[in-house]
Amino acid sequence: QVQLQQGGAGLLKPSETLSLTCAIYGGSFSGYFWTWIRQPPGKGPEWLGEITHSGRTKYNPSLKSRVTISIDTSTNQFSLKLSSVTAADTAVYYCARGPPTSSYGSYYYYMDVWGKGTTVTVSS
Amino acid sequence: DIQMTQSPSTLSASVGDRVTITCRAIQSISSWLAWYQQKPGKAPKLLIYKASSLENGVPSRFSGSGSGTEFTLTISSLQPDDFATYYCQQYNSYPYTFGQGTKLEIK
Repeated sequence: QVQLQQGGAGLLKPSETLSLTCAIYGGSFSGYFWTWIRQPPGKGPEWLGEITHSGRTKYNPSLKSRVTISIDTSTNQFSLKLSSVTAADTAVYYCARGPPTSSYGSYYYYMDVWGKGTTVTVSS
Repeated sequence: DIQMTQSPSTLSASVGDRVTITCRAIQSISSWLAWYQQKPGKAPKLLIYKASSLENGVPSRFSGSGSGTEFTLTISSLQPDDFATYYCQQYNSYPYTFGQGTKLEIK
């Protein structure tokens, strides 16, 4: 049964770079979308972006150019970097797997397996 | 971005009740909608995908319906383990977006 294990620092100062990893155990890396989602305190989740096994990425425009998702197929890990953090980036960050469905040449996915989450606090 | 609106925001119900949560999209998302259950301090758990398909291992008292812009999640007979917050999520177009959540409380 696939499990996602998250790692990374949970306390940051404003202007620093958030860096999180997600390791995949017990399942295939290829054939899925790998995503990052965050959830501010008391709010609904927010999709941050995705990466495929081949390294193709797509990001939420709300994060502008601050977000980077990368993949390391040799270690079955993918990572999130978010630069120039502010208090508004305080949230629980989750990684998740997205099994794709193909329809008329496009791919669609929901998130079926989630990591346990990493609480990230940005405070001076 | 496609805005997803859930109603009600809070729902009080008793064990054994049948409850329905509604999720509306600002534009058509076909059937590309998922429902998640979240308990405090835990990650969301997938219940329903493609509007009405039940995820493996999810009890059959959960069901989903709808297409286009209006969707519902129904729990046919509430069990104690079902008191949680529920979110809908559209995956029709980027960026994928979630509803604001419906908190299901014990009456």
